[in-house]
Amino acid sequence: GQNIDQPTEMTATEGAIVQINCTYQTSGFNGLFWYQQHAGEAPTFLSYNVLDGLEEKGRFSSFLSRSKGYSYLLLKELQMKDSASYLCAVRTGGGNKLTFGTGTQLKVEL
Amino acid sequence: GAGVSQSPSNKVTEKGKDVELRCDPISGHTALYWYRQRLGQGLEFLIYFQGNSAPDKSGLPSDRFSAERTGESVSTLTIQRTQQEDSAVYLCASSPRASGSNTGELFFGEGSRLTVL
Repeated sequence: GQNIDQPTEMTATEGAIVQINCTYQTSGFNGLFWYQQHAGEAPTFLSYNVLDGLEEKGRFSSFLSRSKGYSYLLLKELQMKDSASYLCAVRTGGGNKLTFGTGTQLKVEL
Repeated sequence: GAGVSQSPSNKVTEKGKDVELRCDPISGHTALYWYRQRLGQGLEFLIYFQGNSAPDKSGLPSDRFSAERTGESVSTLTIQRTQQEDSAVYLCASSPRASGSNTGELFFGEGSRLTVL
């Protein structure tokens, strides 16, 4: 089976930096995705990692270590609108099936 | 349309009734997924269609749940004899085949909110 772990909740201050961790135990790893989901809305794609290292996209960066089964999403210069749930998802096998973690609810405060 | 379309957006039904939820994927996307999201929870995988391959039904919670897809187009998720525990948002997503620079990311619809009384 597959196991994907994320913290349930995090709180951070506007303008600060926050790191959301994700650990996974899977067979046939074939990529890791981060999605953002605002309350009552559909998830939207943030980032993708398949090789070890850091992928940067504006204020958001994502890191992957395949040997450690570990990823993190880094959000810089936090804004109130970044308050949302952040979902880590792992792709396995030769197809495109994604298994999601339970998500991390981030609250950005003044 | 340009995105994944789901209907109905909201459905209230009585316990024991059957419901059908529809998903129209993005044109040209070979893969289609159904996920369930209970209030305050993560996404629970239900079923995955990839082209003409046999669907991966490993996430369907019971034999009351079934889904069909016609070719690479519309999909219908059917829940028979609904129970209160079936109340959730049912999210559909589609994706192109991952190749080259294409990550194969999922594009989600807005979901169908099901309430079983």
